[in-house]
Amino acid sequence: NAGVMQNPRHLVRRRGQEARLRCSPMKGHSHVYWYRQLPEEGLKFMVYLQKENIIDESGMPKERFSAEFPKEGPSILRIQQVVRGDSAAYFCASSPPGTGVLYEQYFGPGTRLTVT
Amino acid sequence: AQSVAQPEDQVNVAEGNPLTVKCTYSVSGNPYLFWYVQYPNRGLQFLLKYITGDNLVKGSYGFEAEFNKSQTSFHLKKPSALVSDSALYFCAVRDPVSGYSTLTFGKGTMLLVSP
Repeated sequence: NAGVMQNPRHLVRRRGQEARLRCSPMKGHSHVYWYRQLPEEGLKFMVYLQKENIIDESGMPKERFSAEFPKEGPSILRIQQVVRGDSAAYFCASSPPGTGVLYEQYFGPGTRLTVT
Repeated sequence: AQSVAQPEDQVNVAEGNPLTVKCTYSVSGNPYLFWYVQYPNRGLQFLLKYITGDNLVKGSYGFEAEFNKSQTSFHLKKPSALVSDSALYFCAVRDPVSGYSTLTFGKGTMLLVSP
């Protein structure tokens, strides 16, 4: 059973470009979470999605950031017009369907975004 | 709002000695508590969780954690440290009363185990 997959593992973008980060949850998991880890800091929650629904986006910056989890295919975190401050490691996690609060989240290896 | 504090940025311990990584939390209801470990350039790996029941929780790789409600703590422990335990450790909390399904993480504690 493959774990949470994220690609690309490393992404370099120039200021003003768009960044697209992909996450495929573990097989059978229907809950996806995105977190951002800035240097010297812990993980900060960004958004929680289920298939075709955004459940909680309270951690998402109001502008330039969006996320989706379509019926088919991976979850996508999209950052438009990237700035240097967006440079960070972005982690995706997934958990099984049902009572999500009881389950641990399984994390992918992360995408390290560098904005030049 | 839920929050987690890991008061130590770094913990140093000699191999074979017991280790403790501290965590305190703040939630409005009964907490669900988790410990994760992160190795360099890797994602987080789940170690253990407390949902309900016994205050002493046993997890992966010989780690355990003790839930103390009166002190709002959930310290991670291991009786005998290994050099391979050197990594970044994160405590996390989820407050089911608030309706949040998400985890709030501490800033992490770097554990360095010397040979």
